[in-house]
Amino acid sequence: EDQVTQSPEALRLQEGESSSLNCSYTVSGLRGLFWYRQDPGKGPEFLFTLYSAGEEKEKERLKATLTKKESFLHITAPKPEDSATYLCAVQESGGSYIPTFGRGTSLIVHP
Amino acid sequence: DTGVSQNPRHKITKRGQNVTFRCDPISEHNRLYWYRQTLGQGPEFLTYFQNEAQLEKSRLLSDRFSAERPKGSFSTLEIQRTEQGDSAMYLCASSAREGRPNEQFFGPGTRLTVL
Repeated sequence: EDQVTQSPEALRLQEGESSSLNCSYTVSGLRGLFWYRQDPGKGPEFLFTLYSAGEEKEKERLKATLTKKESFLHITAPKPEDSATYLCAVQESGGSYIPTFGRGTSLIVHP
Repeated sequence: DTGVSQNPRHKITKRGQNVTFRCDPISEHNRLYWYRQTLGQGPEFLTYFQNEAQLEKSRLLSDRFSAERPKGSFSTLEIQRTEQGDSAMYLCASSAREGRPNEQFFGPGTRLTVL
């Protein structure tokens, strides 16, 4: 069973159409959950770290939230330049510093 | 630019050849990671250094793969006797010495194509 599952695999939105991406995780204890943005052919770009349930982080049109079992990345009024793959990764507490990544959600925002 | 850098950005090689990639981390970061990523997948952990010590290696890492980080600065990843299945994006990341869950910052990657 995957420790990190992202859904949907792909999402197409119209410009201005808000939506949410999901990252569910199954670890015994969470040291941290990370969101990254990855453009085609490039390395992942760090967006947020969430440490504990109830925490929220915002950056421009993106807002990340965390519960004990999942995280959401909310995209408000997206623009075409928000098109990318969004990756979620978790670090398990008590373990190594190696995060486990999900497969990502590919987001396309049409003008 | 003070981010993570990787060279080369692209490498095309023939099956059976050896290849070496280089990663220069963010200067104040003491942790360095190598990942492999294929299309439609998230980054897959390969190995991890803290300073010059290689602390973890993935069980999936073939004996054909070796990594070094002399003097705790830049790192190299070598693949010997390349196979077509080695074709992938090889990503390097670094993270800071201290702090809570240490955010990793990635380089642009090296795209390997094995013919």
